Amino acid sequence: SQQGEEDPQALSIQEGENATMNCSYKTSINNLQWYRQNSGRGLVHLILIRSNEREKHSGRLRVTLDTSKKSSSLLITASRAADTASYFCATDAKNDYKLSFGAGTTVTVRA
Amino acid sequence: NAGVMQNPRHLVRRRGQEARLRCSPVKGHSHVYWYRQLPEEGLKFMVYLQKENIIDESGMPKERFSAEFPKEGPSILRIQQVVRGDSAAYFCASSPGQTDGELFFGEGSRLTVL
Repeated sequence: SQQGEEDPQALSIQEGENATMNCSYKTSINNLQWYRQNSGRGLVHLILIRSNEREKHSGRLRVTLDTSKKSSSLLITASRAADTASYFCATDAKNDYKLSFGAGTTVTVRA
Repeated sequence: NAGVMQNPRHLVRRRGQEARLRCSPVKGHSHVYWYRQLPEEGLKFMVYLQKENIIDESGMPKERFSAEFPKEGPSILRIQQVVRGDSAAYFCASSPGQTDGELFFGEGSRLTVL
């Protein structure tokens, strides 16, 4: 089934640094989304990028999408301690209607 | 502006008992999705429902698991005769239509089977 795979599995950075994580997927998609999950909580939608888009920004977030490589990246600039969370990419394949999630990247921002 | 409400947040059951998890979607949303998350893993799709209809249950085990989304009331995920392997966090999400945009997630129901 369609599923994203995030890389790296875990990331530890100093406050103020940038955090970059990647997502690869297997088949053609309608769109790709990124979600954040704080420990013990539900998922919160961060950003959606459509298959015909290459880059999108939202505040300190920058997402890129390369459909030829079937990959996406999420960049968090000027990280804060509050950015400590797990980040998941999710894809919905063409002709499908459910989101498939990767295993996530756990980001720890050290103060 | 209530989001997706799930209850109970925590549920402890002994092997062989039944677990019933409830999900009230965002007001006006008619599409509900259930996902399961094991520790340190991503979310695995279980079932997709619209009001009174199961659209896709391909991710749900054939036995012991059932889901419904009645015309009135919350969506229910029911697990009969629970086993230790059912211990997980179960998340409900809703959307106003078929997934073409974001899903709105609840805080999850954490099931522990003793």
